[in-house]
Amino acid sequence: EPEVTQTPSHQVTQMGQEVILHCVPISNHLYFYWYRQILGQKVEFLVSFYNNEISEKSEIFDDQFSVERPDGSNFTLKIRSTKLEDSAMYFCASSRQGPNSYNEQFFGPGTRLTVL
Amino acid sequence: AQKITQTQPGMFVQEKEAVTLDCTYDTSDQSYGLFWYKQPSSGEMIFLIYQGSYDEQNATEGRYSLNFQKARKSANLVISASQLGDSAMYFCAMREEEAGGTSYGKLTFGQGTILTVHP
Repeated sequence: EPEVTQTPSHQVTQMGQEVILHCVPISNHLYFYWYRQILGQKVEFLVSFYNNEISEKSEIFDDQFSVERPDGSNFTLKIRSTKLEDSAMYFCASSRQGPNSYNEQFFGPGTRLTVL
Repeated sequence: AQKITQTQPGMFVQEKEAVTLDCTYDTSDQSYGLFWYKQPSSGEMIFLIYQGSYDEQNATEGRYSLNFQKARKSANLVISASQLGDSAMYFCAMREEEAGGTSYGKLTFGQGTILTVHP
């Protein structure tokens, strides 16, 4: 069964460093998402991406964040200068169609980011 | 703005019994979807069940059913015949589904309920 994959599973970085989180969505999916979950809290939407551009972003997704689909398979989240409060689990998700039909989002296993 | 509320931080159930996890929502959208996800201690997010706002029947998927009461804006998850492997965090989530709407499918999550199944 196809699945969303994410690498690395755990990333440790120093405050102020740049990190890139990698995701490979399911191959025939068209809509891509990043969410984050601070330890013990709810899952929060960061950004959605469709047709090679950002379609929606939350207040959390400030200028420090960017997303890219550099080729036909990868979908990356870059944090330019990490802060302590960026420590969280980051989930990538994808869906085949948009929100106007029964269409679940498939989540990857997550990348746990720890900023020291 | 959409809001999801899960008022039960933790629930306990005996193995083989049924349990209901509560979820209420608030939205001004006419068309929306409601989801339940399971998050085991390993951290992944597992899709369980979906209910569209215009679906007349309550959704069912195996041992999972969704008790959808639109007028009360509630979408409770019922797990029948609980198993030890059901112990996990459960999240209720919603997305806008209005044709031509501004949302591209982002999910808004509740705070979650930790379910513990006792043998």
